[in-house]
Amino acid sequence: KNEVEQSPQNLTAQEGEFITINCSYSVGISALHWLQQHPGGGIVSLFMLSSGKKKHGRLIATINIQEKHSSLHITASHPRDSAVYICAVLQIYNTDKLIFGTGTRLQVFP
Amino acid sequence: GAGVSQSPSNKVTEKGKDVELRCDPISGHTALYWYRQSLGQGLEFLIYFQGNSAPDKSGLPSDRFSAERTGGSVSTLTIQRTQQEDSAVYLCASSSGLAGLTDTQYFGPGTRLTVL
Repeated sequence: KNEVEQSPQNLTAQEGEFITINCSYSVGISALHWLQQHPGGGIVSLFMLSSGKKKHGRLIATINIQEKHSSLHITASHPRDSAVYICAVLQIYNTDKLIFGTGTRLQVFP
Repeated sequence: GAGVSQSPSNKVTEKGKDVELRCDPISGHTALYWYRQSLGQGLEFLIYFQGNSAPDKSGLPSDRFSAERTGGSVSTLTIQRTQQEDSAVYLCASSSGLAGLTDTQYFGPGTRLTVL
């Protein structure tokens, strides 16, 4: 079993829909990153969370440390949001290594 | 430059040859990271530099892989005696280094390595 699991693996949506991508992890962590990888391969860091909630534009990320779970929400989704969304955790006893989920591929259709 | 740059963008090599991949971080960023993404696979963390020092090299897949960073800037990832399973996109990222691996990382475009 992977230490970081994401769901769903693939997600399709109509423009305007509210999107939720989930990340669950089995190790103690000090921080969690959400990354976005565009179809061309470029990667952008979206959020770093250690507790609570962060918002940037139409993106919201939440984390529940007790439940070892994080969610990434996209409001009013748009075709340009189509990408692979990747969760990565910084393990609390191994602060020199990030453990990645396998990603969620999102396609938003007009 | 304004962002992280990597060279070459594409590299095709024959099995058994050595390759060097280069990463130029954002100016002033003290932390630098190497990752690998194999076809259809997720990202794999390889190594992290704070300045010229790599505290943990255990993420490197085998002793054929080595990385160095000099002058706190450019880093090279060297793969000796390449194997077909080394084919992947090798990504580099940098961050300010103020908060270690909790920093926001800025990714380069990657080097696509194909080993024939």
